[in-house]
Amino acid sequence: DVKVTQSSRYLVKRTGEKVFLECVQDMDHENMFWYRQDPGLGLRLIYFSYDVKMKEKGDIPEGYSVSREKKERFSLILESASTNQTSMYLCASSFWQDYGYTFGSGTRLTVV
Amino acid sequence: AQSVTQPDIHITVSEGASLELRCNYSYGATPYLFWYVQSPGQGLQLLLKYFSGDTLVQGIKGFEAEFKRSQSSFNLRKPSVHWSDAAEYFCAVGVDSGGYNKLIFGAGTRLAVHP
Repeated sequence: DVKVTQSSRYLVKRTGEKVFLECVQDMDHENMFWYRQDPGLGLRLIYFSYDVKMKEKGDIPEGYSVSREKKERFSLILESASTNQTSMYLCASSFWQDYGYTFGSGTRLTVV
Repeated sequence: AQSVTQPDIHITVSEGASLELRCNYSYGATPYLFWYVQSPGQGLQLLLKYFSGDTLVQGIKGFEAEFKRSQSSFNLRKPSVHWSDAAEYFCAVGVDSGGYNKLIFGAGTRLAVHP
């Protein structure tokens, strides 16, 4: 069964901490995405990557960065966590030019 | 700018009743349209998609959706709802952004099912 695995389901961090959210896929997908999900706002794209060491900004990249050193792994980094980054974070992957995304189960991050 | 609107934030139906979830999109080119479902504590699962051809598309779990270009709509329907259909539903449009594809999602509709 194909999978997108997010390393943590729940995470609590303090304001100002550097936070790493990890995502691994086992489908040899070229594309990987990080979305943020908030009530009433749906999913908003933070960053995406179409190849190793390649990244593109999504719609809300401020306060975030990403890293893709290997094809299967895509990391979202909060350089200095703030309370307004408390949210559900969803990782997804797909083949090149394919809109059929596979999503992970999400990481619910709380910044206190 | 591309966007997706789901006018209903919450919908409650009785088990066995029919269901229609509304979705309107804004996109200049031919749209690729999707419906995803998210059960509590889970990621999103693809229900169905429309790329071209027949405007009535069938999906998993007995769902269907109809693309109406004149109304810029892609409404999701099910003739008889089951209690297990209680979830949040997201409509999305696939767009070409500088040669890359990406999905733009609506805000979601939360469905509650009464016994």
